[in-house]
Amino acid sequence: QVQLMQSGAEVKQPGASVKVSCKASGYTFTSNYMYWVRQAPGQGLEWMGIINPSGGSTSYAQKFQDRVTMTRDTSTSTLYMELSSLRSEDTAVYYCARGAGGPVDYWGQGTLVTVSS
Amino acid sequence: EIVLTQSPGTLSLSPGERATLSCRASQSVSSSYLAWYQQTPGQAPRLLIYGASSRATGIPDRFSGSGSGTDFTLTISRLAPEDFAVYYCQQYGSSPYTFGQGTKLEIK
Repeated sequence: QVQLMQSGAEVKQPGASVKVSCKASGYTFTSNYMYWVRQAPGQGLEWMGIINPSGGSTSYAQKFQDRVTMTRDTSTSTLYMELSSLRSEDTAVYYCARGAGGPVDYWGQGTLVTVSS
Repeated sequence: EIVLTQSPGTLSLSPGERATLSCRASQSVSSSYLAWYQQTPGQAPRLLIYGASSRATGIPDRFSGSGSGTDFTLTISRLAPEDFAVYYCQQYGSSPYTFGQGTKLEIK
C-alpha cells in the first residue's frame, strides 16, 4: 500500500532553515509528481510547489520562490523540502502529497514546524 | 494565479439533510480540473471528487460534484454523522494549484 512517511516535528528560531523529508513506499517513486502543501494552525491549505521525482524538475508558488527548495533522492525514494529565512508565519503543518494526474490521492502524516524564539 | 472562493464559510445542518457547497474561481478552470477534499481535525485531507464530478475510490455515492468554468458545487445528498468536517476545493488546471479557503460543515 502507498505510504508517505514524513520526518518528525521541528522547532526553529526565526531566520533559520528547516528541511523536512518524506519517504515514499508501496509504488514506483518516479511515476507520480509530488507536492508540498502547508497548513497554518486553524487555517486552510496552501500549495507550495511540485516536483517531478523522475527528473527532479520543480515549480514553486511565487510566494515561496525565493525561500523553498524541493529535491529528491531516487535511491531512497525520499523527497525533501527545505524552507529558509523562517519567520513566525511559517509555523504550520507541512504535508508531502502524491499527485494523481493533478489531484492528491495520498498524503503524508504531516510535519509540524514551529518557528519561535 | 487562480483564486478560489468557497461559500458559505460555515454551514450548519442536521444529519439526513442535504448540503450544497460552492466554489467559485477567479478565472475559468481548464478542463474542469477541480477537486474536492474533506478534512477532519488532526487528519490529512481526503480526496472526494476530481475532474469536477468523478468520485475518488471508496467515496460513497451521497457525495457528488458538478460545475464547469468558474462555478463548481459539491453536494452531499443525506448527511451522515461522519460528514461533519471541513471541505476544500482545489484547482489543478494551472500552476500554482490553489485551494479555496474551506467550508466548515457543522452539526446544527
